[in-house]
Amino acid sequence: KAGVTQTPRYLIKTRGQQVTLSCSPISGHRSVSWYQQTPGQGLQFLFEYFSETQRNKGNFPGRFSGRQFSNSRSEMNVSTLELGDSALYLCASSLTQGYGYTFGSGTRLTVV
Amino acid sequence: GESVGLHLPTLSVQEGDNSIINCAYSNSASDYFIWYKQESGKGPQFIIDIRSNMDKRQGQRVTVLLNKTVKHLSLQIAATQPGDSAVYFCAENQGKLIFGQGTELSVKP
Repeated sequence: KAGVTQTPRYLIKTRGQQVTLSCSPISGHRSVSWYQQTPGQGLQFLFEYFSETQRNKGNFPGRFSGRQFSNSRSEMNVSTLELGDSALYLCASSLTQGYGYTFGSGTRLTVV
Repeated sequence: GESVGLHLPTLSVQEGDNSIINCAYSNSASDYFIWYKQESGKGPQFIIDIRSNMDKRQGQRVTVLLNKTVKHLSLQIAATQPGDSAVYFCAENQGKLIFGQGTELSVKP
């Protein structure tokens, strides 16, 4: 079966712009989580959605937001981009909250 | 606090040797732990997991050991191969995954 699909794979944006990243989970998976990966901070949890509801949120500013659609696909949005937002953004899906996460290959965001 | 840390940032082993990657976790209430492998340009790939009611779990060439007394987790890879070269992360489930910093495993032929 198809894995977790993230689009786009690479993105270059300018400071102050906003960006939307997309994640299509494994078919049947209803939980989608987002993580930010940087060399300095490692992998950090952004938020998790289950059945279109945000169930958990990490310690990120309000510029980071997300949503989940009825088909379980998820998007995350970052507004007013800063240079420090440059990172690999990873999406993970699972059947249920908390267990069995499968990660996508990520979206590499570069802010210039 | 919420942190899962790794003892060694890099590990270099000879092909065919066994590798041991260590991890310390901070939350004694965590009930589920996972090891992931991340290759360059890819997302983390699930290797093996273990629940807190277990001390040991074995997979194909991999074994995870959990010592709840000292809050320590280890991943053992038997007969390490060049294809095992990657960054390895432990993660602790606290309703969200809390990742360690990662250990880069390098396998010398």
